Amino acid sequence: GAGVSQSPRYKVAKRGQDVALRCDPISGHVSLFWYQQALGQGPEFLTYFQNEAQLDKSGLPSDRFFAERPEGSVSTLKIQRTQQEDSAVYLCASSLRGPGLAWNEQFFGPGTRLTVL
Amino acid sequence: AQKVTQAQTEISVVEKEDVTLDCVYETRDTTYYLFWYKQPPSGELVFLIRRNSFDEQNEISGRYSWNFQKSTSSFNFTITASQVVDSAVYFCALSGPTNAGKSTFGDGTTLTVKP
Repeated sequence: GAGVSQSPRYKVAKRGQDVALRCDPISGHVSLFWYQQALGQGPEFLTYFQNEAQLDKSGLPSDRFFAERPEGSVSTLKIQRTQQEDSAVYLCASSLRGPGLAWNEQFFGPGTRLTVL
Repeated sequence: AQKVTQAQTEISVVEKEDVTLDCVYETRDTTYYLFWYKQPPSGELVFLIRRNSFDEQNEISGRYSWNFQKSTSSFNFTITASQVVDSAVYFCALSGPTNAGKSTFGDGTTLTVKP
């Protein structure tokens, strides 16, 4: 079975450009998470979806960051007017069930490495 | 607020040595989960183990073992007879109900196993 996939794997953008990062979760997974991982650090939470509903976006660093999951499957993380500090690996994870239930494992994708010049 | 601290930034050992990776956490939740993940150079996070806060039994899986001590808020990870393939960045993470399932990660420990 396919795992979580992300595209592109690598993205180079000039400062000020808009970028869109895609996440394909495991089929049937209810929950989808986005994390940002700066070099030498652990992943930091950005936002969370349960199906198509964005239940938590407290980790988004600015209003330049926007995420959507319109049909409750594929998700896109968009960054507008990219800045150098946005350079990081963006990880997507999905899990079978929603929060508040017994723990269920998050499956992580390979990440998209974004470099802003 | 939740916090995970991995004090060891880098560890280097010679193959077949045992190595312990430390993890200390802070949380106000009474129920929570702790995790260890492995991140090889390919970048993908690989789940290794999770521990429920109510279960303080140590666990062994092959060459891997975990020591959970609630009294000291620690969840340490030991690799016995390390191998070159164990070289990776290892992350400890914490998840609790106040965070609705999202995980708080430490900054990771880079383990290098030399032949």
